[in-house]
Amino acid sequence: GENVEQHPSTLSVQEGDSAVIKCTYSDSASNYFPWYKQELGKRPQLIIDIRSNVGEKKDQRIAVTLNKTAKHFSLHITETQPEDSAVYFCAASREDTGRRALTFGSGTRLQVQP
Amino acid sequence: SQTIHQWPATLVQPVGSPLSLECTVEGTSNPNLYWYRQAAGRGLQLLFYSVGIGQISSEVPQNLSASRPQDRQFILSSKKLLLSDSGFYLCAWRHGGTGGPGYGYTFGSGTRLTVV
Repeated sequence: GENVEQHPSTLSVQEGDSAVIKCTYSDSASNYFPWYKQELGKRPQLIIDIRSNVGEKKDQRIAVTLNKTAKHFSLHITETQPEDSAVYFCAASREDTGRRALTFGSGTRLQVQP
Repeated sequence: SQTIHQWPATLVQPVGSPLSLECTVEGTSNPNLYWYRQAAGRGLQLLFYSVGIGQISSEVPQNLSASRPQDRQFILSSKKLLLSDSGFYLCAWRHGGTGGPGYGYTFGSGTRLTVV
């Protein structure tokens, strides 16, 4: 089955700096890669996703890049703000099979220092 | 509108007691539904998924079971809880057509289960 590795486990940045979180996946057939933000005690919320036919996607201060050959994808947050502090999870799935279930990375705790 | 409901929000149960967590989805039909568990400070582990009524696939051997008695209802159960069953349980559903707008997975608000 799919295995997703996520790094780093914790990341501390100064407000206004950029943050990068990286994930690798094992199943070359995976074709959907979402990123979720989870605040303490809350449900994970989708912040951005990318499909395997796209190399990069951007939404305001958030961007995701995908390298299918190397089987890795990254989340980039620019101009970080204190409210970006949370745990971020990457995930991968095959959307061409009946299972279609997300496999998650272990999470990155991002702390933005004001 | 399409929404997902999950309850209860918190639950404290003694070891050996039964468990029933419920998840319902509104505004859609024949959704793929999922149960995930999140241990404290950890990632999300897929427990069960269902592609239709009565169709349950288990991802990991465990003390839990799942059922889907109706199209938009997904239930997580246990006959006898263990201490290791403590965690944050999240129901999720997949929505939207593959590759189309509005596609993705949305989580319920979660149930925090503490087994004592």
